[in-house]
Amino acid sequence: EPEVTQTPSHQVTQMGQEVILRCVPISNHLYFYWYRQILGQKVEFLVSFYNNEISEKSEIFDDQFSVERPDGSNFTLKIRSTKLEDSAMYFCASSERGEGSTDTQYFGPGTRLTVL
Amino acid sequence: AQSVSQHNHHVILSEAASLELGCNYSYGGTVNLFWYVQYPGQHLQLLLKYFSGDPLVKGIKGFEAEFIKSKFSFNLRKPSVQWSDTAEYFCAAGSRGYQKVTFGTGTKLQVIP
Repeated sequence: EPEVTQTPSHQVTQMGQEVILRCVPISNHLYFYWYRQILGQKVEFLVSFYNNEISEKSEIFDDQFSVERPDGSNFTLKIRSTKLEDSAMYFCASSERGEGSTDTQYFGPGTRLTVL
Repeated sequence: AQSVSQHNHHVILSEAASLELGCNYSYGGTVNLFWYVQYPGQHLQLLLKYFSGDPLVKGIKGFEAEFIKSKFSFNLRKPSVQWSDTAEYFCAAGSRGYQKVTFGTGTKLQVIP
């Protein structure tokens, strides 16, 4: 069964550094998403991406964040200048269509980001 | 504001016991509802979803959930749990026409053999 994959599984960085989290969505999917989960808190939506542009974003997704699909397979989340409060598990997801939230989103295993 | 509430944070059951996990939502417009499960060390996986039609939804592994619009609830049930059901369960909701899905805080289920 096809899966969403994410690399790295764990990233440790210093405050103020840039990080790029990588995801390979399921190959025939057209919509891509990033969510995060701060330890002990809810899974929170960050952004959705379709046709090479952001289709929705949350208030968390400020100018420090950006997303990109640099080639036909990868989908990346960049945090320009990390803060301590960016420490979280970041989940990538993809869906075949983006018919509202009716279409099933398939999640990757997550990247644990630790900002020191 | 859109929100999803799960009232049970940690549930411990013996094998063969019945399970019901509560979920309430606060959403404007037409709502789509989901239950996801995360087994230890694994991905979030979809258990079941409700979009419209029969409010009793059957999912994988013997789980079902009932959408009760008047109570803004979407509780997850299983008549007889197994040790392999030990996992964290997340209720989630989304609005028709939007991609964002809002998650509850999750319920950790521990099934004792």
